[in-house]
Amino acid sequence: GEDVEQSLFLSVREGDSSVINCTYTDSSSTYLYWYKQEPGAGLQLLTYIFSNMDMKQDQRLTVLLNKKDKHLSLRIADTQTGDSAIYFCAEKWNTGFQKLVFGTGTRLLVSP
Amino acid sequence: EAQVTQNPRYLITVTGKKLTVTCSQNMNHEYMSWYRQDPGLGLRQIYYSMNVEVTDKGDVPEGYKVSRKEKRNFPLILESPSPNQTSLYFCASSSGPTDTGELFFGEGSRLTVL
Repeated sequence: GEDVEQSLFLSVREGDSSVINCTYTDSSSTYLYWYKQEPGAGLQLLTYIFSNMDMKQDQRLTVLLNKKDKHLSLRIADTQTGDSAIYFCAEKWNTGFQKLVFGTGTRLLVSP
Repeated sequence: EAQVTQNPRYLITVTGKKLTVTCSQNMNHEYMSWYRQDPGLGLRQIYYSMNVEVTDKGDVPEGYKVSRKEKRNFPLILESPSPNQTSLYFCASSSGPTDTGELFFGEGSRLTVL
């Protein structure tokens, strides 16, 4: 099907690590993305990974890609209250035009 | 400042009263798109445009129209709004099928149809 799936909610304590998971649909997707949506705002690109990579690290963020299982994860180390937001994974279909398919979004709540 | 601007940000209207949500980008992007965001459903694409005068349906186009007469503007038109179009709408743009494919989003327009 066309659904990119994420769990709806994750709650962690400040200082812990957060892991947000995503299952995508198209094994030929070229790029996979994580977008962050803060309250009352639009989505902003957080990070992305090319499909020929297994892992990408960017400061506190680690993206892991398992192409065999079509599984993408975002790990946030030392989670802060400012990380509270909705996180969307998205895949770029390998078609002739720019088609991004978004997941349902995971609401991350970080408590002090 | 590079940005995507949507108006209005908030709107309450009644069934059947035509409305337009405007979207403008100042980044000279070729690609523009409209999404709606609903709880538990994530973002669903309504329409997209690859360039001026080129538009196409996304996944949920019913009840919506768009136009792309100029590169910077991509208005979303609801000819006869219905309550099931109550949603949070986002306009987005990008420079085209580039390597990273990053989409730049507006801040959203929350529409309520009574």
